[in-house]
Amino acid sequence: GESVGLHLPTLSVQEGDNSIINCAYSNSASDYFIWYKQESGKGPQFIIDIRSNMDKRQGQRVTVLLNKTVKHLSLQIAATQPGDSAVYFCAERVTGGGNKLTFGTGTQLKVEL
Amino acid sequence: KAGVTQTPRYLIKTRGQQVTLSCSPISGHRSVSWYQQTPGQGLQFLFEYFSETQRNKGNFPGRFSGRQFSNSRSEMNVSTLELGDSALYLCASALGGSNEKLFFGSGTQLSVL
Repeated sequence: GESVGLHLPTLSVQEGDNSIINCAYSNSASDYFIWYKQESGKGPQFIIDIRSNMDKRQGQRVTVLLNKTVKHLSLQIAATQPGDSAVYFCAERVTGGGNKLTFGTGTQLKVEL
Repeated sequence: KAGVTQTPRYLIKTRGQQVTLSCSPISGHRSVSWYQQTPGQGLQFLFEYFSETQRNKGNFPGRFSGRQFSNSRSEMNVSTLELGDSALYLCASALGGSNEKLFFGSGTQLSVL
């Protein structure tokens, strides 16, 4: 199928700690994966993406890891800040699927001071 | 550069009515996608338009339709509204082609009474 699921619905971390948000996907035909952040009252905001020919990609304070063997995606946020509090979604796109994304259920990240 | 603009921001309708939502993509973007977001179902793909043609369609009933104009602006229409249509409707734009980064608007919050 085309399901994409997140393991943890809520993640609480202390400010300054590193956060890891996980995502499982089931469609082996997916070749492109994206992480979005959604704050209350706003639309999803692009964080970082990775193509299936890569297993790691780094951005500013964020790293995405892709393990195609077990169909697992993770988002690592370094030195988590209060402004990182939001819902995080992983999304996948199937080869030939245009810009159609299948989203995971989302993980609420709460940063405690 | 202005982001994706969706109007109206909030909308209240009653069952049986129809509604039209509007989306103006980022300047230069030719692909517009629509998503429905609900607490129970998460983010679900409705359809994608590229150069005034529907390129992809999700699993929604025919009451949900859309179109794209020559200036890439898009509208979606929902006819014979049902209570379950209450949701945040998000529009996303991309440059075009496939495997492009999607940028989301803030959405239209539709409430059906």
